[in-house]
Amino acid sequence: SAVISQKPSRDICQRGTSLTIQCQVDSQVTMMFWYRQQPGQSLTLIATANQGSEATYESGFVIDKFPISRPNLTFSTLTVSNMSPEDSSIYLCSVEGASGRRDYEQYFGPGTRLTVT
Amino acid sequence: AQTVTQSQPEMSVQEAETVTLSCTYDTSESDYYLFWYKQPPSRQMILVIRQEAYKQQNATENRFSVNFQKAAKSFSLKISDSQLGDAAMYFCAYRSAGAAGNKLTFGGGTRVLVKP
Repeated sequence: SAVISQKPSRDICQRGTSLTIQCQVDSQVTMMFWYRQQPGQSLTLIATANQGSEATYESGFVIDKFPISRPNLTFSTLTVSNMSPEDSSIYLCSVEGASGRRDYEQYFGPGTRLTVT
Repeated sequence: AQTVTQSQPEMSVQEAETVTLSCTYDTSESDYYLFWYKQPPSRQMILVIRQEAYKQQNATENRFSVNFQKAAKSFSLKISDSQLGDAAMYFCAYRSAGAAGNKLTFGGGTRVLVKP
């Protein structure tokens, strides 16, 4: 099964700055996703990271604020741009289509806890 | 759009006892998947159990089982012989079938407390 890692695991950032979060999988996967979990809340999908093309964003999320890259089948980045305290959340990467797993199941990375001051 | 509702913000259970978490969903689709995820304080989301909507038989994974009622759009999770390690947030999630890359829609979560 796929092992998913995220960097950094946590960070404290100043408002107005940007942070790039990395998601690395140890094997090729079909799909990669980015979710946000605001404090005490459930998970909301930000976007689907498409390999070699622009990400597909959910309503309420825009590329200028959350640019995403996926250069290959094992790696993706999410940037949180021009941060404000409202961006303080846990950001989770998930994958679908991992070898040895049902192709409709999503598995999650450990998450990145972001605090914006 | 699909919605998922977990009506119990928090449930408490004695160690070795059984607890049942409720989940209802709203969809017009006939083919889909349902999941329960566990999120301990470490925040890693762990897939506990899945159910394919086309299967009538309820899924089981060791001490975890579901009661899937398709007509009622209900998908409850039963944790038997509760252990201290079961303490976590539990999220119910829905995924449309068909194309790859369909998103998960999550419920609001239920916190499970296990008393020794």
